[in-house]
Order: sequence, then structure tokens, then C-alpha cells
Amino acid sequence: AQKITQTQPGMFVQEKEAVTLDCTYDTSDPSYGLFWYKQPSSGEMIFLIYQGSYDQQNATEGRYSLNFQKARKSANLVISASQLGDSAMYFCAMRPYNFNKFYFGSGTKLNVKP
Amino acid sequence: DTGVSQDPRHKITKRGQNVTFRCDPISEHNRLYWYRQTLGQGPEFLTYFQNEAQLEKSRLLSDRFSAERPKGSFSTLEIQRTEQGDSAMYLCASSSGTAYNEQFFGPGTRLTVL
Repeated sequence: AQKITQTQPGMFVQEKEAVTLDCTYDTSDPSYGLFWYKQPSSGEMIFLIYQGSYDQQNATEGRYSLNFQKARKSANLVISASQLGDSAMYFCAMRPYNFNKFYFGSGTKLNVKP
Repeated sequence: DTGVSQDPRHKITKRGQNVTFRCDPISEHNRLYWYRQTLGQGPEFLTYFQNEAQLEKSRLLSDRFSAERPKGSFSTLEIQRTEQGDSAMYLCASSSGTAYNEQFFGPGTRLTVL
């Protein structure tokens, strides 16, 4: 079975501090991609970062980095230097190589406090 | 460069009516996905097209739901005899190339069934 678990329904972080959003996954496929999306209140899903299962290094994109621990099946998103505009829902997603769809977690609502 | 577009953005209908949504993917993308998202949840996969071929359908897609992508470009999602439980955000996404390419999402169509 393919499954994504995000155990933090809501998180608060002080502006300019770093925050980690947790994501664990389960798949029997040895090849897969892991993705993080941001969904502001406007509703549109915005792609943030991607990690391949065979990538040796953790992915980074600007203030976003992905802490990939393959043995633990975790793919946590780290946002450095939080900004007020980071307040949104964040979804972790997985696409196993042999499946034609993405599996999404239930999301984490991040609130950045000034 | 235009992104994924969806029409309409909002639809209010009465129970029992039929509704149709349209999705225009990014022009060079051959893969197109439909998802349903209810409040507080991540997107749930409905169906997937590669070019004009519908390759996968979720069990969530009951007989009342049908999707087409007649020329491998835009796609339509029709819901017949709508029920109140169909109220949700319907998201369309497109991607290209390998299995590891991210999906680009449209703004969604919010359906309210009265």
C-alpha cells in the first residue's frame, strides 16, 4: 500500500526562525519521488521541492530543504528564516515509479507569527 | 508562459443536476490528472490521462463521474446527478517527461451542491 502521513495538523513558528514539517511515507516500490507543495488560502497548489529515492544528497531550493532519511522513510521539509507569507497549508506527496498518480498526506497548516 | 487553467472557478448547483468542468493543461504536457480535495484533506486522485488515453481511474470515481481528453489537450470532468457529498474542490494538474517531474496544478473548481 502507498501512504503518506503528516502527523502535525498545525504548527506555529516565529518569523525569521526555522521550522520542520514532518512527513513519513510507505511504499513497496523501490523507486519513487517525494514532493512538497504549498497551498495558500487562495487554493492553488504550489510546487516547492522534489527528492528522488536514489538521490544521494538532500534537495534544497532557496529557503526550502528536504531532510530525506530513506531508512526511516521520512522526508521532512525544513523552511529556514520563516516569512509571514509562508503561512499556508503544506502537503507532502509521493509518486512511486510504477504508479501513475501522486499520493498526498493530509497536510500541515503553518502559521508564521510576527 | 501560461499555467494550468480551470473553468469555472466556482460552481453552485442543486442536487441532481449535471455539471461539467474544464481543464487546460500546460501545452507541452502529455500527462493530465484530476484530483478531489475536501476541506482539511489533501488531494485525492481521481483519474489520469496520458495524451488522450485514460490510463487509470480511482475507485472514488463512481459511475456518475466521467472524464475525457479527446485530443490529448484539454480535459473535461462531468458529474451526473450531483449529490451533496460531491461538494469539494476539483483540482487538475499536468506534467511531462519522466515519472519524477512535478505536477503543476490549476486553481481548482470549487463545487457546492445544495
